[in-house]
Amino acid sequence: DIVMTQTPLSSPVTLGQPASISCRSSQSLVHSDGNTYLSWLQQRPGQPPRLLFYKISNRFSGVPDRFSGSGAGTDFTLKISRVEAEDVGVYYCMQTTHFPGTFGQGTKLEIK
Amino acid sequence: EVQLVESGGVVVQPGGSLRLSCAASGFTFDDYAMHWVRQAPGKGLEWVSLIRRDVTTTYYADSVKGRFTISRDNSKNSLYLQMNSLRSEDTALYYCGKGRDGSDWGQGTLVTVSS
Repeated sequence: DIVMTQTPLSSPVTLGQPASISCRSSQSLVHSDGNTYLSWLQQRPGQPPRLLFYKISNRFSGVPDRFSGSGAGTDFTLKISRVEAEDVGVYYCMQTTHFPGTFGQGTKLEIK
Repeated sequence: EVQLVESGGVVVQPGGSLRLSCAASGFTFDDYAMHWVRQAPGKGLEWVSLIRRDVTTTYYADSVKGRFTISRDNSKNSLYLQMNSLRSEDTALYYCGKGRDGSDWGQGTLVTVSS
């Protein structure tokens, strides 16, 4: 199974400052169809997951442009240019290139 | 508007069985693969299973393979998860999700395995 490793696991950030989360996979996530099925999801406290990005960098509907997704192969990054209070929660990367699908451990974003 | 509504979560004894359902609306259900993922209390998300549009192609996490069966009824816009031989470690909030990328998720249904 593909292992997804996120760093850091906890990220205290000052409001208005940037934040960055890394996600590494144990194997390349490039599918034979040419796509890379790497999604980023946000889970606010007490809420279900919410998709932020699919196929690495495609921003989902309603996601603010202060969020960005990048990467290729086995290394992926989620960045927030200026953290706002509503960004508090846990962020997960998920791969569905290879099955079984797998999630990273989650990164908890909190305000300093 | 996409809606996914899970149901069927209850308290069940170890070794018991349960079937979860997910009612989908607001999109063309048979155009999309569908997931089940779960979240144990205070823990992270765990991917459980996926079924493709074709109904016959399914995938499972090692932790549930041979015990859980995912299925769908495209005529009823519904997704199911048959859970057998339940263990305490299956206790979790179970979410259904739309599409391979996980574009939309329901609110979840709680399964508690306890004697």
